[in-house]
Amino acid sequence: DVKVTQSSRYLVKRTGEKVFLECVQDMDHENMFWYRQDPGLGLRLIYFSYDVKMKEKGDIPEGYSVSREKKERFSLILESASTNQTSMYLCASSPGLVSYNEQFFGPGTRLTVL
Amino acid sequence: QKEVEQDPGPLSVPEGAIVSLNCTYSNSAFQYFMWYRQYSRKGPELLMYTYSSGNKEDGRFTAQVDKSSKYISLFIRDSQPSDSATYLCAMSAGNAGNMLTFGGGTRLMVKP
Repeated sequence: DVKVTQSSRYLVKRTGEKVFLECVQDMDHENMFWYRQDPGLGLRLIYFSYDVKMKEKGDIPEGYSVSREKKERFSLILESASTNQTSMYLCASSPGLVSYNEQFFGPGTRLTVL
Repeated sequence: QKEVEQDPGPLSVPEGAIVSLNCTYSNSAFQYFMWYRQYSRKGPELLMYTYSSGNKEDGRFTAQVDKSSKYISLFIRDSQPSDSATYLCAMSAGNAGNMLTFGGGTRLMVKP
C-alpha cells in the first residue's frame, strides 16, 4: 500500500526557533512536494524536488528551505519560525516526469508558532 | 484573482441528495483536472481524474470538464454521510514535475 508519512501530526514551536518537518515515502517516487494549507486558500506549493539533491521553489518559498539527501526523504526547514507560518503542512510524492501523475499525500503536520 | 476559484461552502445537504461542486479557472493551458477528497485531519486523496473536456463517471461520482467555459464540476449522486469531507479541485498543464494548482476547497456536510 502506498504510503507517505510525516514525522509529527502536531507541533508547537516558539517564534525564532528552527523547525524541521520530515517526510518519508516508500513508493520509490522521483517527485516530492511540500504544501501549506490555510482556510480558504487551498494548498499552496512551497518547494518541490524531482530528484535527489534537486529542489525548485514553488509559489511561496520565502522563509522556508528544503533538503533531499535521499530519494525517499524530503525535509522542510523553517530557519526562524514566525507566527505567520502557523499552518497545516502537507507532504506529497508522485512518480516520474510524465504529463500527469497522481500525487499521494501524507496526513499533514499542524504547526503552531507562538 | 486566484488562478482557480472554488466556493468554500460549507454545503449542507440531506442524505440521498445530488451534490454539485464546481471550480472555475483562468489558465487555458490546464489540461488535467482532478478532484481530491480530504477527510478531517487527513491528507487529500485522489477521487477523480479527467483529461481535457468531457465527462467521467465512477460509481456515484461524475466529473465534468468544460474547457470552453473554464469550468469543472463534480456530481455526487445519492450522497451519504460518509461523503462529508472537503473537496479540492486541482489542475495541471502537464508540465514536467507535475505541478498542480489547487482550488480552496469546498466543505460538504451530508446529514443523515
